[in-house]
Amino acid sequence: NAGVMQNPRHLVRRRGQEARLRCSPMKGHSHVYWYRQLPEEGLKFMVYLQKENIIDESGMPKERFSAEFPKEGPSILRIQQVVRGDSAAYFCASSAAAEATPTRRTGELFFGEGSRLTVL
Amino acid sequence: SQQGEEDPQALSIQEGENATMNCSYKTSINNLQWYRQNSGRGLVHLILIRSNEREKHSGRLRVTLDTSKKSSSLLITASRAADTASYFCATTSGTYKYIFGTGTRLKVLA
Repeated sequence: NAGVMQNPRHLVRRRGQEARLRCSPMKGHSHVYWYRQLPEEGLKFMVYLQKENIIDESGMPKERFSAEFPKEGPSILRIQQVVRGDSAAYFCASSAAAEATPTRRTGELFFGEGSRLTVL
Repeated sequence: SQQGEEDPQALSIQEGENATMNCSYKTSINNLQWYRQNSGRGLVHLILIRSNEREKHSGRLRVTLDTSKKSSSLLITASRAADTASYFCATTSGTYKYIFGTGTRLKVLA
């Protein structure tokens, strides 16, 4: 039973290029989250998606960043015209339920291994 | 903005000792979770405690929750070198948004 798959694991881009990060959630999961992590720091929420819908993108910069989760295929986090400040680890997580309730067993997030973007 | 703040930021102990790390948060929550992150890896879920629970155990882990103080603690007993990692708390407050703290970097010396 494959976990959350992210690729590429490492990506190097020059300033001004585009970075495209992919995330395949766990089988049966329809909720996808993207987080960004700088070295020695915590995770910063970027965007939450369900199949074909962006539910909350409040943590994502309005310019250059976009995310999608199509009906078929992985979720994509796209960063256009990358700058050095975009260098970070980007983590995708998926869940089967948006929130743990007394009748649901879990509300945990399952994380991928991350995509590490380096902008030269 | 970050919801949770862990302390200490870094903790170094000897193998066999207990490790305690704390998490404080700002708003009311539905549940609080602890995650572990090994260097260069993704986060792994450790334990979830709901707002109506005060204590929970899982193996060598013990989590407490004090909603009046808006704080939680994670205790790892009889620590091992393999417990070396960063530990994060995450809170949810009736929405889908999981907000992570800044993390405690634990180093267990053999």
